[in-house]
Amino acid sequence: GAGVSQSPSNKVTEKGKDVELRCDPISGHTALYWYRQSLGQGLEFLIYFQGNSAPDKSGLPSDRFSAERTGGSVSTLTIQRTQQEDSAVYLCASSLIINTGELFFGEGSRLTVL
Amino acid sequence: QKEVEQNSGPLSVPEGAIASLNCTYSDRVSQSFFWYRQYSGKSPELIMSIYSNGDKEDGRFTAQLNKASQYVSLLIRDSQPSDSATYLCAVNYNTNAGKSTFGDGTTLTVKP
Repeated sequence: GAGVSQSPSNKVTEKGKDVELRCDPISGHTALYWYRQSLGQGLEFLIYFQGNSAPDKSGLPSDRFSAERTGGSVSTLTIQRTQQEDSAVYLCASSLIINTGELFFGEGSRLTVL
Repeated sequence: QKEVEQNSGPLSVPEGAIASLNCTYSDRVSQSFFWYRQYSGKSPELIMSIYSNGDKEDGRFTAQLNKASQYVSLLIRDSQPSDSATYLCAVNYNTNAGKSTFGDGTTLTVKP
């Protein structure tokens, strides 16, 4: 596609429910990244993928968070048993190759946990 | 100490002036440096990248890198109200090239 596509754009859920956030990167981009941005804050790194593998999972806040990427394309970020502190905008980005650092961001998925 | 530090602002400049945004980083093995612009309610957009010491110019934007002093700056000449946004500094480290570490951003307001 023309840009990074994320869905849903908005998600309101109740505490304790599981949520899945989806990211479809720019076609041909091998690297994919997940960041989280809380209101008025900077970007918090969560995880990145090179192809289908995730060399660095250190940014995931807890074992309630997991992510996968299949076919070197679409990625899913799953949050189990959501908590109110999980409320944030979850941003996905992709880059042509892993080392450029030149990230192209999607419009984000805004998660609100009630 | 945060890995990437920016003045949160807000920074306010009159239209037509030069806006100067600064960023310092803590790790000497840092390799690549980036400036992103984020409008309110929108996602970050890459505007500049710089990899070696010195200045890099692109239109009204100039990025400056000084690895010895561990700072990178962004100058915006002839500032326009449309430049009003939050500017995020990002750093890639040699040891984990897949991860960009972001500062918290500086909010710039350009007043007509």
